[in-house]
Formats: sequence, C-alpha cells, structure tokens
Amino acid sequence: DAKTTQPPSMDCAEGRAANLPCNHSTISGNEYVYWYRQIHSQGPQYIIHGLKNNETNEMASLIITEDRKSSTLILPHATLRDTAVYYCIVRVARDDKIIFGKGTRLHILP
Amino acid sequence: GAGVSQSPSNKVTEKGKDVELRCDPISGHTALYWYRQSLGQGLEFLIYFQGNSAPDKSGLPSDRFSAERTGGSVSTLTIQRTQQEDSAVYLCASSLGKGWNTGELFFGEGSRLTVL
Repeated sequence: DAKTTQPPSMDCAEGRAANLPCNHSTISGNEYVYWYRQIHSQGPQYIIHGLKNNETNEMASLIITEDRKSSTLILPHATLRDTAVYYCIVRVARDDKIIFGKGTRLHILP
Repeated sequence: GAGVSQSPSNKVTEKGKDVELRCDPISGHTALYWYRQSLGQGLEFLIYFQGNSAPDKSGLPSDRFSAERTGGSVSTLTIQRTQQEDSAVYLCASSLGKGWNTGELFFGEGSRLTVL
C-alpha cells in the first residue's frame, strides 16, 4: 500500500526552482522520508532524506512540514538534466525495505 | 568494483526456460534488494536481504521466482519456467546496513530480460 501521494506529472521552466510535493498524512514518528529520482533508462538515484528537520545537500533541499504530513523536494535551479521521475518514499525503520510508488514525472521546459 | 554490478546486461530466452540473474553488491554493503521494472512502469519490489536476517520475500510474484545471497555478498535471482510477462528490467541495489543513511540505495545498471 502506498504511504505517499504525489502528482503524476509537473512542468518547470529551466533555471527556475522545481518544487515537488508529497503527501504522507499517515506517517509515524519514526518514519523517514526519502526522495529518489530515475532518469530514463537508468537505475534510481538517491537524492535526500529526512526525519523532522529540513535537509539540504548539493542536489536538493527537503522541506518537511511541522506536522510531518507532507514534504517538498526543491531543486533550486532546474536544468534539462533534471527531467526524471521523482519518487517520495516513507520508510518505517532503518532496516525496513524500501518500496517505490508511482512518483512524479518532472518535465523541465527549455 | 566501485559500484553494483549486474550480469547479464541483456538476456533473451524462450518461454519455459529457466534464467539466472546475478548481482554483485558494493563491498561492505549488508543490504541487498531486487526490483523489476516493466516497460513504462514503476519499480516493483521483489526481495530484500539484510545481513543475516531472513530475507523479505513478500514481493516475489510467484513460486517460479527465488533468490539467494551467498556469504552475505553475491546474490542470484532465479526465474523458473519463464513466461512472457516476466519480460522486464531486473534491478539490484545495495546499501549499508547501519548508520544514518541506510536508505541510500546504490543501483546497478539492470538486467534486461526478454522472454519470447
């Protein structure tokens, strides 16, 4: 059963920030939020994850709402190479399996 | 090698034949996953190995599918009596079993299986 809800597709202009939403309204206190992306014909690539606090790395930022029921992945300056399917995943514990949902297909427009 | 290695990269077989797909995880990674991805579809979880624990086989679609992991390293996914609906890309991933980032999976390039 999917624990997350994402829009099936989104468009973003090149150079602008891409904000990808994810709802996880049934998330529990010990569940982590992970983001992956899959560029066409490649294996998925880890982007970022978080528990409660906002996180930032060289690829993206993850904003988690205070009630943890939703999060947003931010790609600050989208490029054409960011065109991919983005997956938001909720994982129960460190040794739990990782299940991918349907994700959001992000189109970066030139 | 530095990454997850899968073989063969491509496999064409006839319906009813058995196939074996191999995965060499990153050295030191205790967690290993198998997924499959049919054309235009999402990733379907198949099986998960974590250290010495019993594998989570909840995603295997039928008893024709099995997987083993020898010595906590190399894994083999076996499909018996292949069917056309088994045609897909089979992806292997590994991750560290401990620490903050156990959910960072490293994927191989996949094995593309075509059943004629």
